[in-house]
Amino acid sequence: SQTIHQWPATLVQPVGSPLSLECTVEGTSNPNLYWYRQAAGRGLQLLFYSVGIGQISSEVPQNLSASRPQDRQFILSSKKLLLSDSGFYLCAWRMGDRGTEAFFGQGTRLTVV
Amino acid sequence: AQSVTQPDIHITVSEGASLELRCNYSYGATPYLFWYVQSPGQGLQLLLKYFSGDTLVQGIKGFEAEFKRSQSSFNLRKPSVHWSDAAEYFCAVGAWQAGTALIFGKGTTLSVSS
Repeated sequence: SQTIHQWPATLVQPVGSPLSLECTVEGTSNPNLYWYRQAAGRGLQLLFYSVGIGQISSEVPQNLSASRPQDRQFILSSKKLLLSDSGFYLCAWRMGDRGTEAFFGQGTRLTVV
Repeated sequence: AQSVTQPDIHITVSEGASLELRCNYSYGATPYLFWYVQSPGQGLQLLLKYFSGDTLVQGIKGFEAEFKRSQSSFNLRKPSVHWSDAAEYFCAVGAWQAGTALIFGKGTTLSVSS
């Protein structure tokens, strides 16, 4: 069966520090991968998605970037965090050959101080 | 523009009472529709999905949803709410094509009173 791992679960970082959140999927190949951010009362905002290694689509221009160095690995990064980057970050995957439901990781609570 | 609207930000229901959470969508292609539930600090769990066929779909935990194309709606229902159903609920719409992302509503928070 397929599983998705996301870490860390919580993170407190100072303003201006770098960020690296990692997501890996097991049990499937060539998944579509997604990073969402969730802010209170605003639902899920799609940040990035990827259909293959090295292929990244950005939905919202901002202080963050994403990379997909391996088929089942998706990384969310920032060089310098802003206070506004605080939030709950969710990684998700869907089947690569057809658009079915998305499966979510447990999320990372990021607090920038 | 593609969008999902959940008109109710917060709903309180008595335990044992029935529940209906509303969802309206705007989507250019044939929509694939989903309901997810999220407990505090957790990821999203799929409750049910609609791709085609019978417009009344059954999900986990006793939930069901009805797709009404004419109303662009996909409302979630449960006949009798349990205290453990208190959570945030998200409606989402997506396409069949690979490489697309699900679009989510802003969510409805459900509180259950005793």
